[in-house]
Amino acid sequence: GAVVSQHPSWVICKSGTSVKIECRSLDFQATTMFWYRQFPKQSLMLMATSNEGSKATYEQGVEKDKFLINHASLTLSTLTVTSAHPEDSSFYICSAPARSNQPQHFGDGTRLSIL
Amino acid sequence: KQEVTQIPAALSVPEGENLVLNCSFTDSAIYNLQWFRQDPGKGLTSLLLIQSSQREQTSGRLNASLDKSSGRSTLYIAASQPGDSATYLCAVRKNKLVFGAGTILRVKS
Repeated sequence: GAVVSQHPSWVICKSGTSVKIECRSLDFQATTMFWYRQFPKQSLMLMATSNEGSKATYEQGVEKDKFLINHASLTLSTLTVTSAHPEDSSFYICSAPARSNQPQHFGDGTRLSIL
Repeated sequence: KQEVTQIPAALSVPEGENLVLNCSFTDSAIYNLQWFRQDPGKGLTSLLLIQSSQREQTSGRLNASLDKSSGRSTLYIAASQPGDSATYLCAVRKNKLVFGAGTILRVKS
């Protein structure tokens, strides 16, 4: 069964709206979670790493004020796309790291469409 | 900066064929390499994980090899089936996972 739960799976909203995406680890605690973005027919690009109880680490070129990340508990990380615009439309996927000899677990992703 | 390349970008084969997907990476200092499957509009399903000290891993009809020194991995799919149709992603891990762009596989019945 799934070990990482991501919601919602699909969001359609108007330009200017803020959208929150949740990522939960099931049956295990995750002090760190990763947020990826995937454009059509392209690879997954790491946006940021959320750290429980501290600030997220953003990859170069990712706007911190645009993509707010909160990791308030050991089982929940959230990504909020603030004042979303059509160019923010994409597929967002969260992931929880595994131990070094285990596969990394991924959520089912969130398809975000901004009109 | 690590770069991961997957060849071919797309592949269409008749059912029953054996096939090979290729993955190359520029920095051989990795902890492990993972192959994933992604169905349209869905998340990622882990297929195989190869540690840096290993040469290959097998799961059912899938076999993945790793040549770390040359920066290459292959995913071999035996007796392909229409249900194997998906995008296959290769990713290497050191401090973080770096993904290739994927190979879109279509198996025709």
